[in-house]
Amino acid sequence: EAGVAQSPRYKIIEKRQSVAFWCNPISGHATLYWYQQILGQGPKLLIQFQNNGVVDDSQLPKDRFSAERLKGVDSTLKIQPAKLEDSAVYLCASSLSGSQQETQYFGPGTRLLVL
Amino acid sequence: AQSVTQPDIHITVSEGASLELRCNYSYGATPYLFWYVQSPGQGLQLLLKYFSGDTLVQGIKGFEAEFKRSQSSFNLRKPSVHWSDAAEYFCAVGNAGKSTFGDGTTLTVKP
Repeated sequence: EAGVAQSPRYKIIEKRQSVAFWCNPISGHATLYWYQQILGQGPKLLIQFQNNGVVDDSQLPKDRFSAERLKGVDSTLKIQPAKLEDSAVYLCASSLSGSQQETQYFGPGTRLLVL
Repeated sequence: AQSVTQPDIHITVSEGASLELRCNYSYGATPYLFWYVQSPGQGLQLLLKYFSGDTLVQGIKGFEAEFKRSQSSFNLRKPSVHWSDAAEYFCAVGNAGKSTFGDGTTLTVKP
């Protein structure tokens, strides 16, 4: 079974530029999560999708971050414009239906450096 | 609001020695608790989880954790550490499908 795929793996941009990350969850998984992991910290949930609907985006900085999952499968996370403090690893995870008992499967992440 | 504290930022143990990583949580009701491991350049992998029942939980790679409600703790243990266990370990508490993570403990294994 293929795992959660993310691309690109690494990205370097200058502040005020835009960037987009892509995630393809495990086939059949209805729930998709985006996390931000700043160096030295644990992952922080940015947004949770159930199929193509948003379940929780309370910690998403909506003035610069956006995310979509139009067909309920893969998802993109965009930052526009980027700030220095956005330097982090962006992790995508998926689970079968979003139940708390279920395992979340994580992708390898996209490491973003904003200069 | 739920929160997780991992008091030890970095731990070094010798190969073959026992290991205990500490985790304290804050949550009003019975928590869902998780331990994840993250190797360099990798995503997080679930080691074990606790929802209810037996307070001693067995996981993968020879790890176990014990839930102690009176101490609000969920410490991770392994009787004999292998060099391949060197990684970062995260404790998390869950509610309604949303998990809050601690800031992690980095484990170094000495030969």
